[in-house]
Amino acid sequence: GEKVEQHESTLSVREGDSAVINCTYTDTASSYFPWYKQEAGKSLHFVIDIRSNVDRKQSQRLIVLLDKKAKRFSLHITATQPEDSAIYFCAASTANTNKVVFGTGTRLQVLP
Amino acid sequence: EAAVTQSPRNKVAVTGGKVTLSCNQTNNHNNMYWYRQDTGHGLRLIHYSYGAGSTEKGDIPDGYKASRPSQENFSLILELATPSQTSVYFCASGVPGQVNSDYTFGSGTRLLVI
Repeated sequence: GEKVEQHESTLSVREGDSAVINCTYTDTASSYFPWYKQEAGKSLHFVIDIRSNVDRKQSQRLIVLLDKKAKRFSLHITATQPEDSAIYFCAASTANTNKVVFGTGTRLQVLP
Repeated sequence: EAAVTQSPRNKVAVTGGKVTLSCNQTNNHNNMYWYRQDTGHGLRLIHYSYGAGSTEKGDIPDGYKASRPSQENFSLILELATPSQTSVYFCASGVPGQVNSDYTFGSGTRLLVI
């Protein structure tokens, strides 16, 4: 089955700098790649996603890139702010399973 | 507002005891899921359901049972709890990426088995 590897377990950046979180997946049939954010002591909520028919998507300060050949996708957070500090999970899903496979999470710390 | 509600928020159980975690959703989603979250493992799928009366095994089902008596309710049952089942459990409903039916997570249940 699908496996999603999230490469950075922790990441620290200075406020205002960019943060990049990288993930790889194994199943070439995966077509949907969401990202979730978990703030301390809270549940997960959706932040942005990308589908396999595009290679870039932006929502305000969040940019997701998808490289289907390399089976790699990444989340870029520009102009980071303290409220960006959280655990970020990448995930992958295929169209016919309705299941999401998660990466292990990246704890992002935005330092003042 | 559509929501996924889990109960209890926190639970302490004794080894060998029975534990039931409950999840209720007002999203009218067919699909519901149970995950556990552990450091270094992310979220792992335990059981899921496509609708009332349906339960399917996820990636780590051993030691867990699930029950979906209605569209709204999905329970996770630990018949004989073990310390290795100490974790944070999340329920979710929806279909990933589907408009008006996207994944929604509950607030989580923190379970400690002693």
